Amino acid sequence: DQQVKQNSPSLSVQEGRISILNCDYTNSMFDYFLWYKKYPAEGPTFLISISSIKDKNEDGRFTVFLNKSAKHLSLHIVPSQPGDSAVYFCAASDIDSGGGADGLTFGKGTHLIIQP
Amino acid sequence: DSGVTQTPKHLITATGQRVTLRCSPRSGDLSVYWYQQSLDQGLQFLIQYYNGEERAKGNILERFSAQQFPDLHSELNLSSLELGDSALYFCASSAYHRAYNEQFFGPGTRLTVL
Repeated sequence: DQQVKQNSPSLSVQEGRISILNCDYTNSMFDYFLWYKKYPAEGPTFLISISSIKDKNEDGRFTVFLNKSAKHLSLHIVPSQPGDSAVYFCAASDIDSGGGADGLTFGKGTHLIIQP
Repeated sequence: DSGVTQTPKHLITATGQRVTLRCSPRSGDLSVYWYQQSLDQGLQFLIQYYNGEERAKGNILERFSAQQFPDLHSELNLSSLELGDSALYFCASSAYHRAYNEQFFGPGTRLTVL
């Protein structure tokens, strides 16, 4: 049973335009969400996070939006650059699991391709 | 560079064998997490250690075990290996035992079981 879902295995966007990556979750106990970026032959790299007390968090070109009622989050990249081409993973955590949190629950990733 | 190191980068072994994967966390991080990434399952959390003690278990098989040493490096031991254990194994570290702090991942160890 997949608790974090990224329904688009791949997404192609033109350079300079906005990239929107989506993620849905089913576990209502999740209250902290993260996005990671992964290049081939490397480990995932942390990009941006958001806790459930917020609905938006920005860091430079990256903005994450959280809609708790819909159990949906999205990552916006504006403007998209060629170096953004990578696999993006959505991850979630329950920080109030009592005495320490489990590891992150990851989606299966979306391969973002930025076209020149 | 995340500051998390993993050795070896690649490991090829046969079914039934035992291997040890090693991880050194970022300087100052007390928590170490192990993840398995296989083609069909994505990134799956295996186990977490905090300051030498096991804190949380995920989808870790009984054939697998881990430990964290006083210098905070960690080892993941995989025994009685099966073909299905072939995967990328990532180690991550964070400053605290609660996952509120983002985890920083190493480059991974690619395990191939023949």
